[in-house]
Amino acid sequence: AQKVTQAQTEISVVEKEDVTLDCVYETRDTTYYLFWYKQPPSGELVFLIRRNSFDEQNEISGRYSWNFQKSTSSFNFTITASQVVDSAVYFCALNPSGAGSYQLTFGKGTKLSVIP
Amino acid sequence: DSGVTQTPKHLITATGQRVTLRCSPRSGDLSVYWYQQSLDQGLQFLIQYYNGEERAKGNILERFSAQQFPDLHSELNLSSLELGDSALYFCASSASSASTDTQYFGPGTRLTVL
Repeated sequence: AQKVTQAQTEISVVEKEDVTLDCVYETRDTTYYLFWYKQPPSGELVFLIRRNSFDEQNEISGRYSWNFQKSTSSFNFTITASQVVDSAVYFCALNPSGAGSYQLTFGKGTKLSVIP
Repeated sequence: DSGVTQTPKHLITATGQRVTLRCSPRSGDLSVYWYQQSLDQGLQFLIQYYNGEERAKGNILERFSAQQFPDLHSELNLSSLELGDSALYFCASSASSASTDTQYFGPGTRLTVL
């Protein structure tokens, strides 16, 4: 069975601060994919990144960066110089690539509030 | 905008009623997934269709059913509604049935059962 844990339920930061959202996952599959989604107050789920288990390179996209460490089963997400528009709930998700594995297993989400 | 559309955006109904939620996938996507988001259960996978056929089932109640039509749009039918069915229902689509595909989500349908 798969499991994704986002231990931080809520985080508040002041604008321009850096913030890291933690994600720890469990799976018995050797090949899997990890995702981050953003859910702004408007409610939709916005895809941010996909990373496969064979690629441990960190990724940076503008103010966003992701740190994947297979040894600790973690896929953490950092926002640099946070902005009010970053206020949202962020979900980490796992999808094993074994046969019959089609659904995303989501963490409970981390609500980020960026205070101006 | 993900390219996935869902209607209606909001739905308010009474216990015991039946409703239908509709989803149109992104152009070219063959797989459709349904998820339920509730405060106590979080985001949970309900069911997946690929090119008209059911491919995977998750925590979907027997009172719920879905189908995917030849034009690839999908409908989720919820019957004998209970208060606990109040939730945000998401549809997602992906290019194929591969678990490695990225799933793109629609804006969701917020269902309120009174």
